[in-house]
Amino acid sequence: NAGVTQTPKFQVLKTGQSMTLQCAQDMNHNSMYWYRQDPGMGLRLIYYSASEGTTDKGEVPNGYNVSRLNKREFSLRLESAAPSQTSVYFCASSTGVYNQPQHFGDGTRLSIL
Amino acid sequence: QKEVEQNSGPLSVPEGAIASLNCTYSDRGSQSFFWYRQYSGKSPELIMFIYSNGDKEDGRFTAQLNKASQYVSLLIRDSQPSDSATYLCAVNIVGGYQKVTFGIGTKLQVIP
Repeated sequence: NAGVTQTPKFQVLKTGQSMTLQCAQDMNHNSMYWYRQDPGMGLRLIYYSASEGTTDKGEVPNGYNVSRLNKREFSLRLESAAPSQTSVYFCASSTGVYNQPQHFGDGTRLSIL
Repeated sequence: QKEVEQNSGPLSVPEGAIASLNCTYSDRGSQSFFWYRQYSGKSPELIMFIYSNGDKEDGRFTAQLNKASQYVSLLIRDSQPSDSATYLCAVNIVGGYQKVTFGIGTKLQVIP
């Protein structure tokens, strides 16, 4: 019972490099989310996908792009990484119904040098 | 004003005591409230959720909701050292889909 799977778990990049964080869920959830978590800032929503085929900006979308590849997969891309994007990134999914919780992946710890 | 506010702590309680974690929110239309536990270096995991005013109990955990005062709390009875973690309050933002706003979390330390 995998739930939400994120890859990679750790990554170190140089400024200006690009990379894609992958997320897949096997719970048949409609909605998927990308958050970043920084000390003292809590979880902040980057992008979300309310349903397959739709994506929308969250609180902190600058510097990121997303793709909802299918119902299971939601990827986050950093086109030109900056040190300010050093963070822990979490993917989450939910049924999309207002009273249902989100389920989180294990996170990706990303360092930009 | 932040949409969801929590005291970042740390909140220190002795083993066996009751830990009380509080959260206030600004949107009166908020409908669903969630408590997550996050151990250091790990991802958030759901502990409880509550939708209606009053108390909801699950084992050692009790969630309390007061919509008139716009606060939600989590009580942990018989606190154990293994309860030491950061507790995140999450509040559903009114809209056509499920999106929540998280508080910064309260760090709980249970002292043996």
